[in-house]
Amino acid sequence: SQQGEEDPQALSIQEGENATMNCSYKTSINNLQWYRQNSGRGLVHLILIRSNEREKHSGRLRVTLDTSKKSSSLLITASRAADTASYFCATVSSGGSYIPTFGRGTSLIVHP
Amino acid sequence: GAGVSQSPSNKVTEKGKDVELRCDPISGHTALYWYRQSLGQGLEFLIYFQGNSAPDKSGLPSDRFSAERTGGSVSTLTIQRTQQEDSAVYLCASSRGTGHTGELFFGEGSRLTVL
Repeated sequence: SQQGEEDPQALSIQEGENATMNCSYKTSINNLQWYRQNSGRGLVHLILIRSNEREKHSGRLRVTLDTSKKSSSLLITASRAADTASYFCATVSSGGSYIPTFGRGTSLIVHP
Repeated sequence: GAGVSQSPSNKVTEKGKDVELRCDPISGHTALYWYRQSLGQGLEFLIYFQGNSAPDKSGLPSDRFSAERTGGSVSTLTIQRTQQEDSAVYLCASSRGTGHTGELFFGEGSRLTVL
């Protein structure tokens, strides 16, 4: 079953614009992770945010976490054509399971 | 090796045949995961290995699926009597496995096509 669900399913923007993707989940988490997947490739870890954190930055990436709303957002600033990929959130529950549960992903297209 | 290695990268088989998919995790990573990704879908958890503990097989879709991990390193996912609905990309990931799960390192996947 899917724990995290990303929104929107697809996003199309112009280079230079910001891209925002959201992830909602159902149960209490220990941490939430964002991954990127280029077409036909494996997933690459982008950023991990723990349940006691509210915001993290990494380069052009900004992740926020609102545990009261059970949601997270990934913001990519000043997007580039090379950012075109699918983005997935994965949640690790606080209930003792060590298995990250992935959503269906957001497909991002950045037009040059 | 530098990363997680999976083989074969592509496998085409006929319905009813058995297939084996291999995963070589990052050296020293105690946790190993198998996921399945169907076209345009998210990742479906299959099985999880942690050190010498009994694997968590709760995601295996049927008894045609099995996996083993030898010597705490290389893992093999076996699908017996393949069906067309088994067609997917099978992704393997490893992590350091200490405490709650941190970053997963993924292989490039094995694309399975069942004709």
